[in-house]
Amino acid sequence: GAVVSQHPSWVICKSGTSVKIECRSLDFQATTMFWYRQFPKQSLMLMATSNEGSKATYEQGVEKDKFLINHASLTLSTLTVTSAHPEDSSFYICSARKPGLARETQYFGPGTRLLVL
Amino acid sequence: AQTVTQSQPEMSVQEAETVTLSCTYDTSESDYYLFWYKQPPSRQMILVIRQEAYKQQNATENRFSVNFQKAAKSFSLKISDSQLGDAAMYFCAYRSAGSSGDKLTFGTGTRLAVRP
Repeated sequence: GAVVSQHPSWVICKSGTSVKIECRSLDFQATTMFWYRQFPKQSLMLMATSNEGSKATYEQGVEKDKFLINHASLTLSTLTVTSAHPEDSSFYICSARKPGLARETQYFGPGTRLLVL
Repeated sequence: AQTVTQSQPEMSVQEAETVTLSCTYDTSESDYYLFWYKQPPSRQMILVIRQEAYKQQNATENRFSVNFQKAAKSFSLKISDSQLGDAAMYFCAYRSAGSSGDKLTFGTGTRLAVRP
């Protein structure tokens, strides 16, 4: 299998606070994980690529200081939304690339719904 | 940059019938991968099928098959014997096979409704 989990599944926070979202590969080691953002009724937009043991690579237009990514182990990547504001409210999805024959395939977590009040 | 286009925002199919979802893409690369992902109301992204561009044979996974036309840069998904559980948002995605190819580029999606 290739199971990816996310925690929490949903979170409500006050404006100005920081929120951490965890992404874990449960049955495989993932040297590369990805963070996406999805607005209602829209497609997934890649925010950043997270590589174990090195700095994340951010897509153009994504604020590095706003969305902190840490990939400290082969099974865990975290996304921290710092000083969250209502416009950060969205659905955040992570995925992990599984090594092996189908290494080009990404497996997705169930997503985290963030609501900033 | 690669782009993926899904021209059908919504589709509807009668249960047990067949439906085809369209996807076109634009790339200058010769080697790449194409995917169809399903996103049900739970919003969990599920891989439906994948196709390697170097393979001429169309991929098939049970009731799901693709029509891959490399020259036309077309990658449609055919769902046979549609079931109520097939109702979902379907995304077509592209991935380069090169060294910078980890990034998935998604289309805008097609919402599929299945009529009982």
